[in-house]
Amino acid sequence: DIQMTQSPSLLSASVGDRVTINCKASQNINKYLNWYQQKLGEAPKLLIYNTNNLQTGIPSRFSGSGSGTDYTLTISSLQPEDFGTYFCFQHNSWPTFGSGTKLEIK
Amino acid sequence: QVTLKESGPGMLQPSKTLSLTCSFSGFSLSTSGMVVSWIRQPSGKSLEWLAAIDWDGDKYYNPSLKSRLTVSKNTSNTQVFLKITSVDIADTATYYCARSRQLWVMDAWGQGASVTVSS
Repeated sequence: DIQMTQSPSLLSASVGDRVTINCKASQNINKYLNWYQQKLGEAPKLLIYNTNNLQTGIPSRFSGSGSGTDYTLTISSLQPEDFGTYFCFQHNSWPTFGSGTKLEIK
Repeated sequence: QVTLKESGPGMLQPSKTLSLTCSFSGFSLSTSGMVVSWIRQPSGKSLEWLAAIDWDGDKYYNPSLKSRLTVSKNTSNTQVFLKITSVDIADTATYYCARSRQLWVMDAWGQGASVTVSS
């Protein structure tokens, strides 16, 4: 299995901040990396697919980048509704999720 | 509007077989490229992809759980099912089904069904 290590596990930031969440794969995943946001008690929501493709309806302040084993989700200007937990998800081989990053708004 | 809804027993005893149903509308599983996956999440933990079935009836399983999983769909392509045999406490989780229009890009999810395994 490909292991996905997310960092940080907990992130506290202020409205307007630029925020980055990282995901490192145990081997090359060829940009087959999606990002999901999950709020408490809700299902995950797709934000970004295949590293840098913004899902329809997702605000442009969300962006993704990376290659090989290292990937990043960036929120350019944090909004109050962006709190929640973020998961990366690789699908280069049998799919696996990262451990999650909990984003708290200061 | 695409909607998915999971249903299951809520609670079951260890060693039993868990049967889950994903009922959906707003898309057809017979459309080329369409996939429905099952994913679970123990409370407070990360997500685990379990299984999937595609428009052509091809099935995909998490290798670590494959011996216990069976995914299937109905002939009218409006429901997908998941069976997990020999459940134990570690199978306690919220179970989600999700739709993909391209493999592994899960863009619509159900609300989740909570399953507790307890004696």
